[in-house]
Amino acid sequence: DQQVKQNSPSLSVQEGRISILNCDYTNSMFDYFLWYKKYPAEGPTFLISISSIKDKNEDGRFTVFLNKSAKHLSLHIVPSQPGDSAVYFCAGRGTGGSYIPTFGRGTSLIVHP
Amino acid sequence: ETGVTQTPRHLVMGMTNKKSLKCEQHLGHNAMYWYKQSAKKPLELMFVYSLEERVENNSVPSRFSPECPNSSHLFLHLHTLQPEDSALYLCASSPTSGSSDEQFFGPGTRLTVL
Repeated sequence: DQQVKQNSPSLSVQEGRISILNCDYTNSMFDYFLWYKKYPAEGPTFLISISSIKDKNEDGRFTVFLNKSAKHLSLHIVPSQPGDSAVYFCAGRGTGGSYIPTFGRGTSLIVHP
Repeated sequence: ETGVTQTPRHLVMGMTNKKSLKCEQHLGHNAMYWYKQSAKKPLELMFVYSLEERVENNSVPSRFSPECPNSSHLFLHLHTLQPEDSALYLCASSPTSGSSDEQFFGPGTRLTVL
């Protein structure tokens, strides 16, 4: 059973526009969520996180929104830049004995110049 | 060298071979992890080590054998693998295994089993 779902395998956006990457989760024990970014031939790097006590966290061009009732979070990138082209992984982490995150399959974002 | 390094970056092996993947972290972290990333699948946690002790083993077949001789080094010994084991193997580290800190990943080893 996939606890973290990224249902869009890919997303294509024009430079300067907004990119919205979506993530759904099923584990109600998750209380902390992370987004990682992965370029080809590199490992994932941490991008931004949000605690379940918040509904929004912003860091520069990146904003993560959390809707706990819908068990849904989204990452907004605005304005999108070609250098943002990468695979984005959503992860959830809980307090049920393990702080190790559970990852989604990832969404490949392509930002066209 | 900084961050998390992995060697080799690419590995091709036959099903009867024995090989090892190496991971080294230069961040002073106490927890290290092995993940498997197969095509179109989520990152799958394989093993977790905290202060050189294995704290989690996610039902990984015995043909994968981890070793953590110290908090800076992590190995994954491979023996009689199957073609379906072909994947990207990622190592990660974090300050501890029980905190809210994010993980730092290495670049991965792309493994192909023939």
